Amino acid sequence: ETGVTQSPTHLIKTRGQQVTLRCSSQSGHNTVSWYQQALGQGPQFIFQYYREEENGRGNFPPRFSGLQFPNYSSELNVNALELDDSALYLCASSPDRAEGYTFGSGTRLTVV
Amino acid sequence: AQSVTQPDIHITVSEGASLELRCNYSYGATPYLFWYVQSPGQGLQLLLKYFSGDTLVQGIKGFEAEFKRSQSSFNLRKPSVHWSDAAEYFCAVGTRNNDMRFGAGTRLTVKP
Repeated sequence: ETGVTQSPTHLIKTRGQQVTLRCSSQSGHNTVSWYQQALGQGPQFIFQYYREEENGRGNFPPRFSGLQFPNYSSELNVNALELDDSALYLCASSPDRAEGYTFGSGTRLTVV
Repeated sequence: AQSVTQPDIHITVSEGASLELRCNYSYGATPYLFWYVQSPGQGLQLLLKYFSGDTLVQGIKGFEAEFKRSQSSFNLRKPSVHWSDAAEYFCAVGTRNNDMRFGAGTRLTVKP
């Protein structure tokens, strides 16, 4: 049973729109990472937050942004959606990055 | 830069047979290595991790993996596969202060 909850589970947006995806982590999980998983691919790292500060970023443009809140929740925002943004977006959190991450079930985003 | 190669896109084994999934990594320093499993439409579940010490690591669900530095490999094994093991398996490499890089995954089919 996962301790990471993501919402919504599915979402359909139009190209050019903006979207906010949400993640609720377990208490004490100070590190949260977001991943994009295209169909048939492994997850690709978007960025990581540690104690509400961005702590690392993958090869994604600035229109992908995030926030982490003191209550162990976080958001992924994507502006100016493109068709290629269609993917499963995964949130993963950890109390200590060395312990491995707990993943949520993801948000399936479809851009039309 | 870190990278992970999973040479086998799809593997089919009979129920009760043994299983080995291959993973090769590229990283200059001592890596943290992970195996995750993903069922359709779900997030990723951590099977096992290697940080240091004993190169044979035991995980959940009867899985184990062996770290071989000389071969830059971290292969996943299970002595007897169950039908419920059918899923997508991902190998990942990371460090204490970095994100994880995932392989493209190996899809496991279990024949009755």
